[in-house]
Amino acid sequence: DADVTQTPRNRITKTGKRIMLECSQTKGHDRMYWYRQDPGLGLRLIYYSFDVKDINKGEISDGYSVSRQAQAKFSLSLESAIPNQTALYFCATSEPGTSVKHNEQFFGPGTRLTVL
Amino acid sequence: GQQVMQIPQYQHVQEGEDFTTYCNSSTTLSNIQWYKQRPGGHPVFLIQLVKSGEVKKQKRLTFQFGEAKKNSSLHITATQTTDVGTYFCALRGYQKVTFGTGTKLQVIP
Repeated sequence: DADVTQTPRNRITKTGKRIMLECSQTKGHDRMYWYRQDPGLGLRLIYYSFDVKDINKGEISDGYSVSRQAQAKFSLSLESAIPNQTALYFCATSEPGTSVKHNEQFFGPGTRLTVL
Repeated sequence: GQQVMQIPQYQHVQEGEDFTTYCNSSTTLSNIQWYKQRPGGHPVFLIQLVKSGEVKKQKRLTFQFGEAKKNSSLHITATQTTDVGTYFCALRGYQKVTFGTGTKLQVIP
């Protein structure tokens, strides 16, 4: 979905390096999320944000930090990358609300990160 | 928090055969969502079910929510090669969505 973009799409880095993954959206959504996907483990939530002043930890936040620079931008940082952070990372957005259309999450194309 | 278990993890079917993936929870679910991720792609929302016993269809896809709202299934009739991908069930909580582990479907032409 071109409305949610992620950069870079692929990244290879070394253990100990600092890495930032960026997410931008033009959907005007307040809610943004970062997930990591590993084979057999599904999608696991790292962090989420409901507006620029709101940051919440997900189930696997250790080793990660985030920054919500604007409504449209949500960045994920690995302060000191380690090999078990090798994964596919997805950003997603959604609207607040209770109707079905507000429950759908819209995903970016993903960033494949390899930590050597 | 609530968790959803999904089975099977992998499924290979001959083109034209049917396919079903199941999502189970030990607790009552308020809703269940289904997403599809094509190979090399990102998850895409398919549907949300909220009512006990609810059944919804999208062409060859049939989604069901159990009477006790503890399980759900996605059934594909007469699979096609375009159905290849990973299917995830997910629980929409108050603040976040919890995903199942997914079922990877391979369709053999």
